[in-house]
Amino acid sequence: DAGITQSPRHKVTETGTPVTLRCHQTENHRYMYWYRQDPGHGLRLIHYSYGVKDTDKGEVSDGYSVSRSKTEDFLLTLESATSSQTSVYFCAISEDYNEQFFGPGTRLTVL
Amino acid sequence: GQNIDQPTEMTATEGAIVQINCTYQTSGFNGLFWYQQHAGEAPTFLSYNVLDGLEEKGRFSSFLSRSKGYSYLLLKELQMKDSASYLCAPQNRDDKIIFGKGTRLHILP
Repeated sequence: DAGITQSPRHKVTETGTPVTLRCHQTENHRYMYWYRQDPGHGLRLIHYSYGVKDTDKGEVSDGYSVSRSKTEDFLLTLESATSSQTSVYFCAISEDYNEQFFGPGTRLTVL
Repeated sequence: GQNIDQPTEMTATEGAIVQINCTYQTSGFNGLFWYQQHAGEAPTFLSYNVLDGLEEKGRFSSFLSRSKGYSYLLLKELQMKDSASYLCAPQNRDDKIIFGKGTRLHILP
């Protein structure tokens, strides 16, 4: 299995608080992605990165920011969490534009 | 626009064969992925089709028709552990992977 970890694995927070999720890889893959998965919507791309300090928006980027200061770490920040951001968040990595390997996921609940 | 259609749920019997269909419309097309996702777990890669035709990998096969915007995943000799969601995921011209909502497959003994 690809070496991808996500932290925290579970988090409960309150509306209006900032939240940062971390994705860490040991594979030295170039591309990293953040998705959210909600019932009835499937996986939706939030942001992705194609190298250190190179990031771009995905389909549902509003309310989220990302940073990648090292190849191995990709951070997702919710500046002011809202209840609509309650979801399961998956990080994924890939070496090229093909097969993506997914992390175990973070279950976030915003009350 | 971009659209992916696959059945929401399917049921099959252990030892049987099941085919999960997927039709898609994307802005350009570079290939199509199938992923498996067990409840509460991360998706895992099953197959990637770029050219028309059938690709076989053990008990799982995946078919693609680019002209028809159609793919299917064929699972043979079903086992209880195959109970999972199967995600059809075409890749558009920008190399973005667009995931369908998934087909939840139930295997009966």
